[in-house]
Amino acid sequence: DARVTQTPRHKVTEMGQEVTMRCQPILGHNTVFWYRQTMMQGLELLAYFRNRAPLDDSGMPKDRFSAEMPDATLATLKIQPSEPRDSAVYFCASGLGITPSSYEQYFGPGTRLTVT
Amino acid sequence: QQPVQSPQAVILREGEDAVINCSSSKALYSVHWYRQKHGEAPVFLMILLKGGEQKGHEKISASFNEKKQQSSLYLTASQLSYSGTYFCGTEARAGGTSYGKLTFGQGTILTVHP
Repeated sequence: DARVTQTPRHKVTEMGQEVTMRCQPILGHNTVFWYRQTMMQGLELLAYFRNRAPLDDSGMPKDRFSAEMPDATLATLKIQPSEPRDSAVYFCASGLGITPSSYEQYFGPGTRLTVT
Repeated sequence: QQPVQSPQAVILREGEDAVINCSSSKALYSVHWYRQKHGEAPVFLMILLKGGEQKGHEKISASFNEKKQQSSLYLTASQLSYSGTYFCGTEARAGGTSYGKLTFGQGTILTVHP
């Protein structure tokens, strides 16, 4: 049963610290998405990649957030420095993205980030 | 721009039906539906690609009216397991290609009681 995995599942950190979240997409999926979910803003797209190339990161605060795919099995989302308003659940999702009918996204379990 | 879902919440008894609507101000390429249970990740339900297309998944089906830029999710004979938050994700038209970039609605909380 192929799944998207994310680490860590929970992270508590102090304001100003660097946070790195990791995602392993489903093997063979060529599209990776990073989402942030909060009660106030709902589910927001931060960035996404296709074949490891960044396609859109317009949803990300550029001064503190960065997203990369060093290889096909790893996507990272970094926040430096972190702020209390970054507290949220961060989801990674992957998809095949070959044809429109295969664009369903499979979400990982999420990383719950708390910045104090 | 975020699609608008209605209603925001609905409470049902087992066996009752419900309809959740999703409306966008943009011309749409596709509409996706996801369900999220409390504390879990969203789970894909279905994708609708063509105007007027209807798809079914067990007793959950959906329609897509391309002209009105709307989609509706139909839950019939609801079960306890249907409880959760339902999200529509819309993909705006952008020329002839698409990469599956979705903008999600705010969600509709569905509660099914015995």
